Amino acid sequence: EDKVVQSPLSLVVHEGDTVTLNCSYEVTNFRSLLWYKQEKKAPTFLFMLTSSGIEKKSGRLSSILDKKELSSILNITATQTGDSAIYLCAAHLYNQGGKLIFGQGTELSVKP
Amino acid sequence: DAGVIQSPRHEVTEMGQEVTLRCKPISGHNSLFWYRQTMMRGLELLIYFNNNVPIDDSGMPEDRFSAKMPNASFSTLKIQPSEPRDSAVYFCASSLATGGRGNTIYFGEGSWLTVV
Repeated sequence: EDKVVQSPLSLVVHEGDTVTLNCSYEVTNFRSLLWYKQEKKAPTFLFMLTSSGIEKKSGRLSSILDKKELSSILNITATQTGDSAIYLCAAHLYNQGGKLIFGQGTELSVKP
Repeated sequence: DAGVIQSPRHEVTEMGQEVTLRCKPISGHNSLFWYRQTMMRGLELLIYFNNNVPIDDSGMPEDRFSAKMPNASFSTLKIQPSEPRDSAVYFCASSLATGGRGNTIYFGEGSWLTVV
């Protein structure tokens, strides 16, 4: 059975801290790994990772994929209260119309 | 461009009633997904369509749930009869599935369902 597991499930930090969120996957027909940020509404896209070892960055956020370890991390440096959200990772599969298998999410709370 | 449009945004209904959720995917997208999100189970794929054809409905919880996609610009998710445990946020998403290595999936804002 295809599955994606995220850790930790929840995290409380203070502004300015750096956090690392983890995602591991066991799926067939793996295509890519996606990260989403979800606040009150729908998940919004952060990163798509297809190649192992190549870091993607967007401001204070960065992510990297390790296909050997079947995992990915999402780093957030100098956290701000606006980073408080649920962060979802999803394995994107081939040959199934773009099917996503989601992890449970990591709920990040950044305190002032 | 308009994103994925869902309706209703919020629905409160009594147990036993029929619920119909609607979705208009992004124009030109050929894949459509229905997800359910709850605190307990996170985000689960219920069903997805490719070129209006249901490809995988293994995530549909039971016979009370049904989904249709009569054309490329419209899909419905129906629950009949609804039960309190169906209370969740239901997301519709669409993408342009190609043979390439990746494509972004865009989510609607969700339909918040409460069954009392």
